[in-house]
Amino acid sequence: DTGVSQNPRHKITKRGQNVTFRCDPISEHNRLYWYRQTLGQGPEFLTYFQNEAQLEKSRLLSDRFSAERPKGSFSTLEIQRTEQGDSAMYLCASTGGGETQYFGPGTRLTVL
Amino acid sequence: SQQGEEDPQALSIQEGENATMNCSYKTSINNLQWYRQNSGRGLVHLILIRSNEREKHSGRLRVTLDTSKKSSSLLITASRAADTASYFCAPEPMNYGGSQGNLIFGKGTKLSVKP
Repeated sequence: DTGVSQNPRHKITKRGQNVTFRCDPISEHNRLYWYRQTLGQGPEFLTYFQNEAQLEKSRLLSDRFSAERPKGSFSTLEIQRTEQGDSAMYLCASTGGGETQYFGPGTRLTVL
Repeated sequence: SQQGEEDPQALSIQEGENATMNCSYKTSINNLQWYRQNSGRGLVHLILIRSNEREKHSGRLRVTLDTSKKSSSLLITASRAADTASYFCAPEPMNYGGSQGNLIFGKGTKLSVKP
């Protein structure tokens, strides 16, 4: 499979716990994006990387959220001290210089 | 908000009919993309139209763009039950210094095609 992959696909956690998601973009894609999607809404932009540099962060990305892409390949998104409002689908997308973004299947987070 | 907004929110048609979905946005854009999402799944890219293009075709899909009205439409001809999904438009806002690529999605149009 040469598409964007995300792990885990589902995560259930208790409020206050930390969670980390991983995204593996399409090989050699230099841009990587994170979005969040809640029920009945479209995806909302969170942040993006050009290689290992994080170039933009949305105001949605509170200080409990941190994203990294240490070697310019895979990326992780960590949420600390999770809240029920963090329950959502977290989507990752990558692009190799063109405008088309290729999305992964998403990680569905449920915070109890 | 620079959100793309789709209209209608829901559309139900019979197989074989055409489906038209509209999108409006608020700012200048580099391009506008349409995506499809099956329930609970990731998004699939359908078509991209650049700001200097007015119409684009891909198979049974036809997209138009009117930058003066800040609107776009997606037409699916001869619809099939497998076209049942949510459809999102995603304008890419124009930024100084070149494209940032962060897309602004609306709430989508939920299309139901009945066999």
